[in-house]
Amino acid sequence: SQQGEEDPQALSIQEGENATMNCSYKTSINNLQWYRQNSGRGLVHLILIRSNEREKHSGRLRVTLDTSKKSSSLLITASRAADTASYFCVLGGGADGLTFGKGTHLIIQP
Amino acid sequence: EAGVAQSPRYKIIEKRQSVAFWCNPISGHATLYWYQQILGQGPKLLIQFQNNGVVDDSQLPKDRFSAERLKGVDSTLKIQPAKLEDSAVYLCASSNAGTGYEQYFGPGTRLTVT
Repeated sequence: SQQGEEDPQALSIQEGENATMNCSYKTSINNLQWYRQNSGRGLVHLILIRSNEREKHSGRLRVTLDTSKKSSSLLITASRAADTASYFCVLGGGADGLTFGKGTHLIIQP
Repeated sequence: EAGVAQSPRYKIIEKRQSVAFWCNPISGHATLYWYQQILGQGPKLLIQFQNNGVVDDSQLPKDRFSAERLKGVDSTLKIQPAKLEDSAVYLCASSNAGTGYEQYFGPGTRLTVT
C-alpha cells in the first residue's frame, strides 16, 4: 500500500520559530493529506492537497507538493507550544483506510 | 456536532483474557474505521466498514480479532484471547462523502496486556 515517509523523524525548535517537515513517496498520487496527533486533541486532519495543486495554506500552515520529485512539505510558521505533536503525511484520500508512516515528532521549546 | 466517542479510555488485562472496545461515530457518517497504534508508530488500519458491511479487513488478525457494526452505527472491536503484542492504542474513525472523506478520529482506547 502507498505510504509516505516523513523526515526528519524528530525536530526540536524554539517557540516562535518556523518548523518545516518533509514527506517523500514512491507512487503516483491523487491527493496527499497531513494529520497531527498530540495528547490534547488526539489525531486530527490538518490539510489535503490535490495532485494538481502546488501550494495550499491554512492559517499558520503552508503545504507544498512537488509531484515531479514525489515530495511534500509542511511549514508551520510562528510556532507555539500547542504545536508540539507528531505530524503524519498520508497518501491518497477518498473513502479508503489511511496508511500512516512513523511521522515527524515536533517539540516546541518555550 | 459531537465527535467520535470511544470507551473505555483505558483497559488493563492479562494475556489470554478477552476485551471489547466500543465506538460511536459521528452521526450520519457511513464509513467507520478501526486502527491500531503501537507506541512509536503511526496508526495501522485494522478494518473498514461501509454502513454495516465490511469493506477491508485485510490487516485484521482474524484468529483473535473480530469486529461488527450492527445497524450501521455503533461498532465493537473484540480481542480474544489477547497477547502481549496487542498492547496499543485502538483508534476509531468515521468519515462521510459529504465531508470529502476527511476522517475524524476518536480519543482512542489504550490497552495494556500484562
